[in-house]
Amino acid sequence: TQLLEQSPQFLSIQEGENLTVYCNSSSVFSSLQWYRQEPGEGPVLLVTVVTGGEVKKLKRLTFQFGDARKDSSLHITAAQPGDTGLYLCAGGANAGKSTFGDGTTLTVKP
Amino acid sequence: KAGVTQTPRYLIKTRGQQVTLSCSPISGHRSVSWYQQTPGQGLQFLFEYFSETQRNKGNFPGRFSGRQFSNSRSEMNVSTLELGDSALYLCASSQETSRGGELFFGEGSRLTVL
Repeated sequence: TQLLEQSPQFLSIQEGENLTVYCNSSSVFSSLQWYRQEPGEGPVLLVTVVTGGEVKKLKRLTFQFGDARKDSSLHITAAQPGDTGLYLCAGGANAGKSTFGDGTTLTVKP
Repeated sequence: KAGVTQTPRYLIKTRGQQVTLSCSPISGHRSVSWYQQTPGQGLQFLFEYFSETQRNKGNFPGRFSGRQFSNSRSEMNVSTLELGDSALYLCASSQETSRGGELFFGEGSRLTVL
């Protein structure tokens, strides 16, 4: 069974601060996704990383896939209250059976 | 392009009852997956359907079942409800050409069992 561990579980910061969320596994994934979920909504896909060492940027969010494709990180620069939400990483060989991490709950205070 | 639509959004049932949840995927998406989300267990995979066939199944009891219709719409059913079944049930659709495991989720059906 492939497991994904996310850290930290909870993160509360002030607006303007930087933060990094980690997603680690002992298994190799062919691809890894990051999602953000707001209360009362379903997760929304942010990015997919496929190649070991790959770095993708989405405005103030930077995603990195580990060289061995076992881990990933999400870095947010100058966090804003609108970044508040549950961040989930997920991996899987196919769309039908993705494994999700437990998530990181981020609160950005104005 | 319309997103994934789940109905109902909220429902309350009592123990022992059964419930049916519906999901309409994004047009052109043939794979539909169901997940259960609870505060303690996170997102747990229930099952996935593709072209009306169950292709993958998670570790849930037989009380949880599903099906997919020829138009790719899917339903899941939970029989003999237990208090622990209270959760947000999420449906996600994807297409075979999606990179890796990209999923597009609906807003979920919030089930409360009393």
